[in-house]
Amino acid sequence: DARVTQTPRHKVTEMGQEVTMRCQPILGHNTVFWYRQTMMQGLELLAYFRNRAPLDDSGMPKDRFSAEMPDATLATLKIQPSEPRDSAVYFCASGLSRDRLGNEQFFGPGTRLTVL
Amino acid sequence: QQQVKQSPQSLIVQKGGISIINCAYENTAFDYFPWYQQFPGKGPALLIAIRPDVSEKKEGRFTISFNKSAKQFSLHIMDSQPGDSATYFCAASDSDRDDKIIFGKGTRLHILP
Repeated sequence: DARVTQTPRHKVTEMGQEVTMRCQPILGHNTVFWYRQTMMQGLELLAYFRNRAPLDDSGMPKDRFSAEMPDATLATLKIQPSEPRDSAVYFCASGLSRDRLGNEQFFGPGTRLTVL
Repeated sequence: QQQVKQSPQSLIVQKGGISIINCAYENTAFDYFPWYQQFPGKGPALLIAIRPDVSEKKEGRFTISFNKSAKQFSLHIMDSQPGDSATYFCAASDSDRDDKIIFGKGTRLHILP
């Protein structure tokens, strides 16, 4: 049963601490997306990768957020230093990029982050 | 121009009724229009999708109606059931340009038993 996995599922931390969220995309998928979900803003795209190369991180606060794909089986989203306004659910999604066929994204279960 | 506007924000429907959620877009380059369903504590999952070369797509109780000239599309849920209670996101993508999907803000649907 192929699915996107995310760790941790829940994280509570204090303001100023570093937070690292991890995602394992579905094997064989070549695109990875990071989203942030809040009640006010809905689903915001933070960053996306194709074939491990970062293609768009325009939605990400550059001063504190960073996203990487060290290898094809791992994507990371790091916040340093964290702030209370970063409290949200962070989703990772993966997909298979195919020209003009529309690209279904498969979402993980999310990491619920609370910054005190 | 990259936005997808979704309404209503929340919707309450009686069991057995029809749930209707509407979306509008501006970018005429969009060529793929999916709807995602999200249950509490879960990630969104693809429910149904349509391309602009057809005006309607039906899968079971779920139907997408698409109006290309008006740049609008909608999700109809027939015979709504309590198990359909979830948040629904419309979305759009320019698949010629990149892999990104632009999501609407979501509609929280509650079906009364």
